[in-house]
Amino acid sequence: GENVEQHPSTLSVQEGDSAVIKCTYSDSASNYFPWYKQELGKGPQLIIDIRSNVGEKKDQRIAVTLNKTAKHFSLHITETQPEDSAVYFCAASKEGSGGGADGLTFGKGTHLIIQP
Amino acid sequence: EAQVTQNPRYLITVTGKKLTVTCSQNMNHEYMSWYRQDPGLGLRQIYYSMNVEVTDKGDVPEGYKVSRKEKRNFPLILESPSPNQTSLYFCASSLSSGTVWIGEQYFGPGTRLTVT
Repeated sequence: GENVEQHPSTLSVQEGDSAVIKCTYSDSASNYFPWYKQELGKGPQLIIDIRSNVGEKKDQRIAVTLNKTAKHFSLHITETQPEDSAVYFCAASKEGSGGGADGLTFGKGTHLIIQP
Repeated sequence: EAQVTQNPRYLITVTGKKLTVTCSQNMNHEYMSWYRQDPGLGLRQIYYSMNVEVTDKGDVPEGYKVSRKEKRNFPLILESPSPNQTSLYFCASSLSSGTVWIGEQYFGPGTRLTVT
């Protein structure tokens, strides 16, 4: 099955600086890579996703890059703000699969701390 | 408002006492899924359902049961809870097409279960 590694587990940055979280995956057949943000006491919420037919996607201050050859993808947050403080999860799957071995496989999460 | 709801949000119980965690979605999604979240392990899928009366095991199904009698509801049943099932549980839903899920997975707010 798929295996997703996520680094770092904790990331502390100054407000206004950029933050980068990296993930690697093992299954070259995976084609869908979402990123979720989880605030304290809430469920994960999708913030951006990328499919294997593109190398980069951007949405305002958030961008995701994908390197299929190296099997890694990254989340970039620019001009960080206090409300960006949360736990971020990457995931990989074969989009359109049901579950189990082909469903969403999550990384272990990154606790992002924005220092004022 | 489109949402996934779970009840209860918090539950403390004793070993062996059967319990049910309810999950309901109002988005007419065919696909529903249960995950558990443990520190340092990320989210792992327990069971999923592609549609009414169609359920299948995820990565960690042991000790759990599910049912899908109605499209909107997907309860998680622990018939004989044990301390190793102490965890944070999330229900999620998504659209599906035939036998595959598509698009964003929406997560509920979570149920924190403690088994003593």
